[in-house]
Amino acid sequence: EVQLVESGGGLVQPGGSLRLSCVGSGFTLSDYWMHWARQAPGKGLVWVSHIKGDGTNPGYADSVKGRFIISRDNAKNTLYLQMNSLRVEDTAVYYCGRGGVVASLDLWGQGALVSVSS
Amino acid sequence: QSALTQPPSASGSPGQSVAISCTGTSGDVGAYDSVSWYQQHPGKAPRLMIYEVNKRPSGVPDRFSGSKSGNTASLTVSGLQAEDEADYYCSSYAGSNTFYVFGTGTKVTVL
Repeated sequence: EVQLVESGGGLVQPGGSLRLSCVGSGFTLSDYWMHWARQAPGKGLVWVSHIKGDGTNPGYADSVKGRFIISRDNAKNTLYLQMNSLRVEDTAVYYCGRGGVVASLDLWGQGALVSVSS
Repeated sequence: QSALTQPPSASGSPGQSVAISCTGTSGDVGAYDSVSWYQQHPGKAPRLMIYEVNKRPSGVPDRFSGSKSGNTASLTVSGLQAEDEADYYCSSYAGSNTFYVFGTGTKVTVL
């Protein structure tokens, strides 16, 4: 089955760090750009970051630039998001997504909840 | 990185059509034929419904169609069914600095 499964979410204090993982199955991760997007409780989707299939060309939303790092291990079919200096406003469900044709996300994971609170 | 503007809500009776607008700028929707639309049911992950303005992925009913004129894109759902009740989000590529932007989201209610 073609799917993405996130893990690593949880409760963290402001200023803390967390690393999310996203494992792909049923397809070859290295063939695709991969993305992270997030959705705060009751709010809309926001794009966070992306990375090319070979691990180059990372890109970030201004709101996370300098604090979050996207990476991937294609041998493990896994995408990562290292989140540092977390803020209360980073609280959200984080989704990984597979880059499809012309800037679309054609496959999404089930989401991982990150809560930043003291 | 301002979100694309969508109406908060839209509704229609079963069998009717509903159209959702998605307004951006000349730097995103107006600049690229890269508008996508996503359906999200409560508590679920988004699902791609339309890509490249008007193309449907395999498995998406042909009741869903997309279009674009200038800085505004639209999603039309024809022959509304109960399972179409969900939140819908548009997105667009926005260039090599901003990269991607999503819409504010529209809740579609089937009356």
